[in-house]
Amino acid sequence: GNSVTQMEGPVTLSEEAFLTINCTYTATGYPSLFWYVQYPGEGLQLLLKATKADDKGSNKGFEATYRKETTSFHLEKGSVQVSDSAVYFCALSRYSGGGADGLTFGKGTHLIIQP
Amino acid sequence: GAVVSQHPSWVICKSGTSVKIECRSLDFQATTMFWYRQFPKQSLMLMATSNEGSKATYEQGVEKDKFLINHASLTLSTLTVTSAHPEDSSFYICSAVAGPNIQYFGAGTRLSVL
Repeated sequence: GNSVTQMEGPVTLSEEAFLTINCTYTATGYPSLFWYVQYPGEGLQLLLKATKADDKGSNKGFEATYRKETTSFHLEKGSVQVSDSAVYFCALSRYSGGGADGLTFGKGTHLIIQP
Repeated sequence: GAVVSQHPSWVICKSGTSVKIECRSLDFQATTMFWYRQFPKQSLMLMATSNEGSKATYEQGVEKDKFLINHASLTLSTLTVTSAHPEDSSFYICSAVAGPNIQYFGAGTRLSVL
């Protein structure tokens, strides 16, 4: 079945540091890939997504590239801020395009940014 | 952005009782909603797909008689944990579909069964 593996945290960085959170997946077919972020007391929010190989999703300075050859979707940001402190989830859906599908999530990575 | 409200945020109940959790899409209509379950330090696990006006579709291993899902309108889905037991204690999260592969999530409900 489908699965998502992401690096476990907590990950602690200083402000303005470079961020990488690794995510690899196992899936049949051509899934869409997502990064969600969860701030304390709030629901998961979509950060970015990619629907096909070599697509790059980007939002708020975060980027991730859909790498089919390495089955990866690593999240990166060039200079993190204290406000980026949150839990980040990598996820995939079974379908590459339209339609609604439940997601398969990784365990989440708790990111802590220190001033 | 779209808002999904989940209620209650925390519930404590006695073993053997039933608990209902509501998931509402506040500013959009959702034909499809999903219910997830999360154990501590584990990933969210998809439990079921809730479709307005039809029966829910449950993932393998999820007891449909234990976790009753009703999606009676385009803005409301409910999850009822029947005859709850301590092993049902968990964090339950819903999401509502607003567009192609776009899901908005509720903040979750923590269920503690004594």
